[in-house]
Amino acid sequence: DADVTQTPRNRITKTGKRIMLECSQTKGHDRMYWYRQDPGLGLRLIYYSFDVKDINKGEISDGYSVSRQAQAKFSLSLESAIPNQTALYFCATSDFPGNKQFFGPGTRLTVL
Amino acid sequence: GESVGLHLPTLSVQEGDNSIINCAYSNSASDYFIWYKQESGKGPQFIIDIRSNMDKRQGQRVTVLLNKTVKHLSLQIAATQPGDSAVYFCAETHSGGGADGLTFGKGTHLIIQP
Repeated sequence: DADVTQTPRNRITKTGKRIMLECSQTKGHDRMYWYRQDPGLGLRLIYYSFDVKDINKGEISDGYSVSRQAQAKFSLSLESAIPNQTALYFCATSDFPGNKQFFGPGTRLTVL
Repeated sequence: GESVGLHLPTLSVQEGDNSIINCAYSNSASDYFIWYKQESGKGPQFIIDIRSNMDKRQGQRVTVLLNKTVKHLSLQIAATQPGDSAVYFCAETHSGGGADGLTFGKGTHLIIQP
């Protein structure tokens, strides 16, 4: 969905490096989410945010941190990247709980 | 662990035929279900949704059926076209508060044969 953008689209980094993935949305939604997708495992929730300064852990938050700087922006950080964090990362938004989520195009992260 | 799953990892159908993709869920508290389509190199795209107070919902060429008794969800695509080739995910959540976010199944890769 063009209303949800992610940068970078692709990133290769080395073990131990800090990396930040950015998500921006123009849909005006309060709720934002970060998911991770691995082959054969579908998408799994890392963190989510209901509003600015609100942060909640998802299913697989260990090794990740997030920041919700503004309603439109939600960033995901890997403080010290490790190879098993190699995956596709998706940002999503929704307007209220129990409603459909809209996904960005994804970031392909490779940790060597 | 996963509370939502799909029965088949790959489904191959002839162009023009109807296709049915199945999904099972185990969380009785789930009350909202979504089907997403993911094309190669793209994020999941919303197709259709259904709430637990319904057992059928139709869209353009797609129908979702919900059987709460056996916790089963299906997506029917009529007259499949080459552009329907993608991975299809079912996802569930419950709108009763608490943890947010969707729980996804592993996905079914739909292949359209010419």
